[in-house]
Amino acid sequence: ETGVTQTPRHLVMGMTNKKSLKCEQHLGHNAMYWYKQSAKKPLELMFVYNFKEQTENNSVPSRFSPECPNSSHLFLHLHTLQPEDSALYLCASSQGVGSGGFNIQYFGAGTRLSVL
Amino acid sequence: KQEVTQIPAALSVPEGENLVLNCSFTDSAIYNLQWFRQDPGKGLTSLLLIQSSQREQTSGRLNASLDKSSGRSTLYIAASQPGDSATYLCAVSEETSGSRLTFGEGTQLTVNP
Repeated sequence: ETGVTQTPRHLVMGMTNKKSLKCEQHLGHNAMYWYKQSAKKPLELMFVYNFKEQTENNSVPSRFSPECPNSSHLFLHLHTLQPEDSALYLCASSQGVGSGGFNIQYFGAGTRLSVL
Repeated sequence: KQEVTQIPAALSVPEGENLVLNCSFTDSAIYNLQWFRQDPGKGLTSLLLIQSSQREQTSGRLNASLDKSSGRSTLYIAASQPGDSATYLCAVSEETSGSRLTFGEGTQLTVNP
């Protein structure tokens, strides 16, 4: 266990559904991240939060809406997704962001999302 | 824009072989480079992190080297075991933003008993 827990592990949803992915870290970290891993593509950074504030949005479509109520929890709210959004969504956390040894990221096991 | 390439995409070897995985990146202005392991259906586990000022890092049977000027890193696995079977990912962080990791597509390794 890495100390980063993601739920659910698997999710199937229709294009008109609304669902949420949850990530919780028990490491006392201040930064949290969402990544997307599609088949045959490298991991793509989606969002970065540091001390609950969003510091990066990597041009992610608005149908993905992140929420970070505190430094331990991160959500990804999904609505009106497309089939091409089917992927493994990974959450990560780190003690901080930027330079130094603080940017070592610890990853959760991911949520496998299928959009029908 | 930073691009990371990993060669080969897949590798199958018999148990006991020493092997090398390759990673190259286009922009040498990196802060550090990490090698991760990903097992099927699981998240990423960090194996080794090399700061840009370092040449190599070692952990058990793993040794990672970094040549920042040429934009290359290698992961050497000694005496491979079936339990080493996984996808190995290389990622670099940029000097301006250490939190932004750019990943390669990975090398899928199979070690046959």
